[in-house]
Amino acid sequence: GENVEQHPSTLSVQEGDSAVIKCTYSDSASNYFPWYKQELGKRPQLIIDIRSNVGEKKDQRIAVTLNKTAKHFSLHITETQPEDSAVYFCAAWYNAGNMLTFGGGTRLMVKP
Amino acid sequence: DGGITQSPKYLFRKEGQNVTLSCEQNLNHDAMYWYRQDPGQGLRLIYYSQIVNDFQKGDIAEGYSVSREKKESFPLTVTSAQKNPTAFYLCASSHPGLSGTQYFGPGTRLLVL
Repeated sequence: GENVEQHPSTLSVQEGDSAVIKCTYSDSASNYFPWYKQELGKRPQLIIDIRSNVGEKKDQRIAVTLNKTAKHFSLHITETQPEDSAVYFCAAWYNAGNMLTFGGGTRLMVKP
Repeated sequence: DGGITQSPKYLFRKEGQNVTLSCEQNLNHDAMYWYRQDPGQGLRLIYYSQIVNDFQKGDIAEGYSVSREKKESFPLTVTSAQKNPTAFYLCASSHPGLSGTQYFGPGTRLLVL
């Protein structure tokens, strides 16, 4: 089945710096890649997603890039703020299994 | 995601007891999912359903059961066969077409007495 690897598992940045989280996937047929933000004790919230026919997507301070050849996609957060501190999960849609496979998560800490 | 509700927020299970977690959505989504999240871990798929009266096992279905009698509802039963049920359980639903965006409910935290 699909396997999604996410790195790093923890990331600490200073407020105002950029943060980058990377994910790789194994199934070349995967065609949908969402990113979720989860605050402690809360539900995951979709923050941005990208489909395989697009290489990059931006929404204010966040962007996602996709490299289908290399089978990896990344989340970029610019001008980080303390409220960006949370756990971020990437996921890939696994066509053969009809399911989303999630990465292990990245705990982002933004220091004021 | 505001249209997905889960109850209860906290649930306590005694040994040997079956418990049922509720998930309801008013988003007219065809597909619904159940995930388990252990502390500090990612999300693992338990069961999913594409349409009414149909559901499929996910990666960790053993010890769990589901039903899908109505489009809006997808309850999860944690049976006594699940020996380590303590976790945060999340329900999600998605737009028509399985590769649609998934939206999550607020979750149920299950604890064993």
